[in-house]
Amino acid sequence: DAGVTQSPTHLIKTRGQQVTLRCSPISGHKSVSWYQQVLGQGPQFIFQYYEKEERGRGNFPDRFSARQFPNYSSELNVNALLLGDSALYLCASSLGLADTSTDTQYFGPGTRLTVL
Amino acid sequence: EDKVVQSPLSLVVHEGDTVTLNCSYEVTNFRSLLWYKQEKKAPTFLFMLTSSGIEKKSGRLSSILDKKELFSILNITATQTGDSAVYLCAVVALSGTYKYIFGTGTRLKVLA
Repeated sequence: DAGVTQSPTHLIKTRGQQVTLRCSPISGHKSVSWYQQVLGQGPQFIFQYYEKEERGRGNFPDRFSARQFPNYSSELNVNALLLGDSALYLCASSLGLADTSTDTQYFGPGTRLTVL
Repeated sequence: EDKVVQSPLSLVVHEGDTVTLNCSYEVTNFRSLLWYKQEKKAPTFLFMLTSSGIEKKSGRLSSILDKKELFSILNITATQTGDSAVYLCAVVALSGTYKYIFGTGTRLKVLA
């Protein structure tokens, strides 16, 4: 079975531009979460979507937005890019809300975003 | 403010050594604690802990949670070079919506 997939693998943008990152969950998983991981730090939670609805949000500005499609894939959008947005963006999928011992998050390989 | 603190930040050991990684947390409405191993990009799931005092074990790795003292430990026995990675601790909290709070990780290097 395919794991979580993310595209693109790498991306270079300039300040002020907008970017869209994509994630396809494991087949059968209905929840997708997005994380930002800056070098040397742990992942920072951005959003969780379940059944196409936002179920969790971290402390990120409104420049960050996301959505989940009927096939459970998801997009993360970041507007007005800043240098500090340079990071590895991780997507994780789970069957449900990943809050029980039988339902955990599985991470994709990430998208490396560099903002110049 | 919710926080997860891991220690030590980094650790260098020799093959065969036993290591203990620590994770302490302060969160509102704790749901569960998770351990992940991150080698290059995607963190891979190790354990989920929800109850105090019940050890989870997988091969040479084991973990336990203390909900009274608000910490967890991850033990790795008979370490191998393949155990070299960053080990991440994360706590799931529910305050209206779900939040996943990660620590900064412990970087483990195992020397041959």
